[in-house]
Amino acid sequence: DVKVTQSSRYLVKRTGEKVFLECVQDMDHENMFWYRQDPGLGLRLIYFSYDVKMKEKGDIPEGYSVSREKKERFSLILESASTNQTSMYLCASSLPTSRRGNQPQHFGDGTRLSIL
Amino acid sequence: KNQVEQSPQSLIILEGKNCTLQCNYTVSPFSNLRWYKQDTGRGPVSLTIMTFSENTKSNGRYTATLDADTKQSSLHITASQLSDSASYICVVTAEMYSGGGADGLTFGKGTHLIIQP
Repeated sequence: DVKVTQSSRYLVKRTGEKVFLECVQDMDHENMFWYRQDPGLGLRLIYFSYDVKMKEKGDIPEGYSVSREKKERFSLILESASTNQTSMYLCASSLPTSRRGNQPQHFGDGTRLSIL
Repeated sequence: KNQVEQSPQSLIILEGKNCTLQCNYTVSPFSNLRWYKQDTGRGPVSLTIMTFSENTKSNGRYTATLDADTKQSSLHITASQLSDSASYICVVTAEMYSGGGADGLTFGKGTHLIIQP
């Protein structure tokens, strides 16, 4: 069965800390995504990676960076955490559009991050 | 700008009743539309996908419809169960290179469904 694993289900950090959220997929997917999900706003794309070391900004990249050194792993970094980054963070992976056909994105179960 | 609007925002129904969730989109050119179910504390999981030529797709008690002319989709849940309590997210994919966010995906904000015993 396909699997996207996020390293932490719950995380509490302090304002100003550097925060790392890790995501690993075992499906050999080229595409990986980081979203945040807030009540009333739905899922919003932070960053997208279509290959190792390749990344694209999503709709809300400010305050975040990403790293993709290996195909299976995609990290989200909060350089200096702020309280408005308290949210649910979801990682997803998929085949590239050209080969995806009707295959969906596969999501992890999320990391609920609280910044105090 | 590509957009996906879902209604209602939230819905409460009694166990055993039917319900219908709506999704209207302005994504163009259209490739496919997918409904996801997201249980509390879990990631979204795909329920159905429909392409331009399909107007109905079923997955157990879930039936999705698509009207590509009016750019509307609905998700009908029959004989609801407590386990149907979840958020339902409509996601529309644009054809490659036509925008709509990275990888051509545009997300709705979801409908939060609560089934009461």
